[in-house]
Amino acid sequence: SAVISQKPSRDICQRGTSLTIQCQVDSQVTMMFWYRQQPGQSLTLIATANQGSEATYESGFVIDKFPISRPNLTFSTLTVSNMSPEDSSIYLCSVAKQVGNEQFFGPGTRLTVL
Amino acid sequence: RKEVEQDPGPFNVPEGATVAFNCTYSNSASQSFFWYRQDCRKEPKLLMSVYSSGNEDGRFTAQLNRASQYISLLIRDSKLSDSATYLCVVNMGGGSYIPTFGRGTSLIVHP
Repeated sequence: SAVISQKPSRDICQRGTSLTIQCQVDSQVTMMFWYRQQPGQSLTLIATANQGSEATYESGFVIDKFPISRPNLTFSTLTVSNMSPEDSSIYLCSVAKQVGNEQFFGPGTRLTVL
Repeated sequence: RKEVEQDPGPFNVPEGATVAFNCTYSNSASQSFFWYRQDCRKEPKLLMSVYSSGNEDGRFTAQLNRASQYISLLIRDSKLSDSATYLCVVNMGGGSYIPTFGRGTSLIVHP
């Protein structure tokens, strides 16, 4: 397994501002993912964060809105830019040690945009 | 058609009951399969992997049916603490790891 922490755990932000969420893992992992989960909904994959290369974004998500960094094998950040109330959600970091392996999730960041 | 489909439920069962959930997937090239459990306002946690030969862990049994493209989760002797949302995850494969989540099946076990 892997122990994952996220910061902040929650935040309330004004529209038009940006928030950067940090994800720290206690061991080196190959795959890191960022998800969004809105109330009563399943998880939606935003992007796969690759160390040493650009993140791979899923349909409907773009780098300008959700820039991602992955400076090493234990850390990643997701920025939610120019926020609107529609961005209110839980943002979850997830890791997998190898391609195709099970994922482990961070505790999530609960974001409310006013 | 959604790539991974689950009946959202809720499944409302008494303690001690046996309950089963199915999850269908659309991509026949899918490589790996998992069941996760998510409690209210918590992150998903791995319940079990689903192997071609099936997988059993105590009261929980997971099976894969490649021909019909579904996986199943069977819970025997349900406990109150089993109440949660159960998420099916399919690695859609095709050479890249694209984990796709179902919307989850809600289970409520009552006394």
